[in-house]
Amino acid sequence: DAGVTQSPTHLIKTRGQHVTLRCSPISGHKSVSWYQQVLGQGPQFIFQYYEKEERGRGNFPDRFSARQFPNYSSELNVNALLLGDSALYLCASSLLAGQGHYEQYFGPGTRLTVT
Amino acid sequence: AQTVTQSQPEMSVQEAETVTLSCTYDTSESDYYLFWYKQPPSRQMILVIRQEAYKQQNATENRFSVNFQKAAKSFSLKISDSQLGDAAMYFCAYEDGYGNKLVFGAGTILRVKS
Repeated sequence: DAGVTQSPTHLIKTRGQHVTLRCSPISGHKSVSWYQQVLGQGPQFIFQYYEKEERGRGNFPDRFSARQFPNYSSELNVNALLLGDSALYLCASSLLAGQGHYEQYFGPGTRLTVT
Repeated sequence: AQTVTQSQPEMSVQEAETVTLSCTYDTSESDYYLFWYKQPPSRQMILVIRQEAYKQQNATENRFSVNFQKAAKSFSLKISDSQLGDAAMYFCAYEDGYGNKLVFGAGTILRVKS
């Protein structure tokens, strides 16, 4: 079975631009979470979606938004890019959410560079 | 808010030797989960081992084992018979009992010398 997939692998954007990152969860998984990993640091939680509803949001500005589609894939959108948004963006999927623990499986990430 | 602290930015171990990575955490919850993840240069985050807080027995997975001290809020990872393929960034992570977000530490770079 295919794991979590993310696209694109790498992306270079200019300050002020907008970016959309995509994530496809493992087949059958209904929950997707997004994390930002700045170089040399641990991942920071951005969003969690479950059954197309936002279930959790981390301490990120409103420039960050996300959504989950009926097929459970997800998009992370970032507006008005800043240099500090340069990071590895990780997507993780799990079978369910909110009813105890379900393993989160990570994708390979999207490396975003803002110049 | 929950926090996870890894006080060792970098560790080195000789091939075939044993190394221990440290992690402490802070939470007021009684039900939670702790994890060690490995992130090699390929960037793929891989789960190494999981510990449920309600279990007193320390988790083991082949060469990997943990020392879970709930009262001290300590969760260390021991890697036995270290191999070159163990070289990576290791993250300690916490998840509450409601399936919410993972909270990660800053990571420890593990170098394995041949």
